[in-house]
Amino acid sequence: GDSVTQMEGPVTLSEEAFLTINCTYTATGYPSLFWYVQYPGEGLQLLLKATKADDKGSNKGFEATYRKETTSFHLEKGSVQVSDSAVYFCALLKGSNYQLIWGAGTKLIIKP
Amino acid sequence: DGGITQSPKYLFRKEGQNVTLSCEQNLNHDAMYWYRQDPGQGLRLIYYSQIVNDFQKGDIAEGYSVSREKKESFPLTVTSAQKNPTAFYLCASSIVAGGSLNEQFFGPGTRLTVL
Repeated sequence: GDSVTQMEGPVTLSEEAFLTINCTYTATGYPSLFWYVQYPGEGLQLLLKATKADDKGSNKGFEATYRKETTSFHLEKGSVQVSDSAVYFCALLKGSNYQLIWGAGTKLIIKP
Repeated sequence: DGGITQSPKYLFRKEGQNVTLSCEQNLNHDAMYWYRQDPGQGLRLIYYSQIVNDFQKGDIAEGYSVSREKKESFPLTVTSAQKNPTAFYLCASSIVAGGSLNEQFFGPGTRLTVL
């Protein structure tokens, strides 16, 4: 069945470091892909999305490119800030009944 | 301001009691969802509704019930049959249930603790 796999956390970086959080998926067809962010004690917010192969989603300095050949949607940011500390979720839209399939989440900790 | 509200933010329940979590949206969205989040885990779908007066079970519906009598409201009842109800519950909504418009907007969540 469809699934999403994220790198395990926590990921701990220093401020201004380069960030990559890996996300790979298994799905038939061409699903839409999403990154959501959850700050402590809050609900989730959509960070970025891509709806077809080679699309690049971007927002708040974060980017992710939909790679069909490697079935990946890795999240990147060139220079992280302490305020980026949160849990990041990768998800895909399941075509058969339009449900989101979620990764387990990756906790990101940025130290000053 | 448009958005999704969930109440209460924290909820305590004694074992054997039913409890209802509120979710209201003023985004005019057709679809609404309930998820459960346990520490260190991803989201698991409990129930979803694509239209008023209709809803479907998600992956972990046992011990839960919902209703969708109004477009803007999708309350979740955690019944005494739910074996391990302590968790963080998230409500979400989207314009339609499918296609590229399926961006889901989330409420702030309700943390339920069974004493």
